[in-house]
Amino acid sequence: AQKITQTQPGMFVQEKEAVTLDCTYDTSDQSYGLFWYKQPSSGEMIFLIYQGSYDEQNATEGRYSLNFQKARKSANLVISASQLGDSAMYFCAMILRNSGNTPLVFGKGTRLSVIA
Amino acid sequence: EAQVTQNPRYLITVTGKKLTVTCSQNMNHEYMSWYRQDPGLGLRQIYYSMNVEVTDKGDVPEGYKVSRKEKRNFPLILESPSPNQTSLYFCASSLGRGAEAFFGQGTRLTVV
Repeated sequence: AQKITQTQPGMFVQEKEAVTLDCTYDTSDQSYGLFWYKQPSSGEMIFLIYQGSYDEQNATEGRYSLNFQKARKSANLVISASQLGDSAMYFCAMILRNSGNTPLVFGKGTRLSVIA
Repeated sequence: EAQVTQNPRYLITVTGKKLTVTCSQNMNHEYMSWYRQDPGLGLRQIYYSMNVEVTDKGDVPEGYKVSRKEKRNFPLILESPSPNQTSLYFCASSLGRGAEAFFGQGTRLTVV
């Protein structure tokens, strides 16, 4: 079964600085997808970025980029130029593409606090 | 607007009183699922559905039921809620298993 590990329960970052949120995953499958979601204090889950296991380039979406290192099984989220509105919980998640009915598996999350 | 709609957003109920949390999506997605989110445990899948009339258990299905009679709706049923089912619940839908999941707004359930 696949597993996602987020080792940073909480992070602080100064406004306008970049921050990296760590995510490592464990699977023996070769075909999978990696996601990052943001959960603000209002509770909703907001999709940020996606990386497929066969994608050769790191995914980017505006200020978000995913530092995908397949050999190390890591998929760290990089937020550039942090804003106060980035303060939230961030979840890394993975899904297997070819292994039957597998769920989207989430890490336990990292709480990011952006300081003015 | 593409969205997943859950109702109610907040619910307080008593132990043993049956309840249903509704979930509806307007994106014609085949894959839908329910998660619960608990502090320190992250999100865990309760049930999922690959298509109409096709449902299966996730990681924590005990105490829950689901049905998928129509593509757009995927209600979560608690036949006899207990306090350990107090949680934040999310419904999600996606085009397929490996695609981006769209989440509902969440339902905060308290069972007393």
